[in-house]
Amino acid sequence: KQEVTQIPAALSVPEGENLVLNCSFTDSAIYNLQWFRQDPGKGLTSLLLIQSSQREQTSGRLNASLDKSSGRSTLYIAASQPGDSATYLCAVYTGANSKLTFGKGITLSVRP
Amino acid sequence: DVKVTQSSRYLVKRTGEKVFLECVQDMDHENMFWYRQDPGLGLRLIYFSYDVKMKEKGDIPEGYSVSREKKERFSLILESASTNQTSMYLCASRLGGAADTQYFGPGTRLTVL
Repeated sequence: KQEVTQIPAALSVPEGENLVLNCSFTDSAIYNLQWFRQDPGKGLTSLLLIQSSQREQTSGRLNASLDKSSGRSTLYIAASQPGDSATYLCAVYTGANSKLTFGKGITLSVRP
Repeated sequence: DVKVTQSSRYLVKRTGEKVFLECVQDMDHENMFWYRQDPGLGLRLIYFSYDVKMKEKGDIPEGYSVSREKKERFSLILESASTNQTSMYLCASRLGGAADTQYFGPGTRLTVL
């Protein structure tokens, strides 16, 4: 059974810092990995999707990498801003029953 | 842009009531999903549907049922609401398979008294 882990559960950094959020998964037979952002009391917003054949994807200040063989992904946020404060979730798609398996998320706080 | 809408942002119901949560997507997506999200437990899949009138149980289907009569609409039904069904409910849709992004609605915060 696929399990997705995100550690730590919470992170607080000063504005302007570059930071890395980690995601690990137990079954490397994935089709893709997706990073989401969730603001308090809201739904999830898709940030980046990396196919299993890709090593990374970039969008603005965000860069996500994937190392399928080791079961790891990182989300790199450059020059963090207070508006980046949110919970970041990663999810993997293994193809079984078309389901995504989610981590529990990392709650990021960027201090002005 | 893909839009997934949910009928209510907040809902308060009494124990034993029948509750309907509606979800509509506007991009002709094949797959639709219902999740609940609870602190410390993360997102858990309740039911999903990969086509009209088709449904599959997720990880926690007990106490819930679903209906998909039209491609764009996926309904979650709580036959007899209980206090342990107080939660944030999130609907999502996805066009097809592995290459596609999953899109979420804004969520419904359901409180069962």
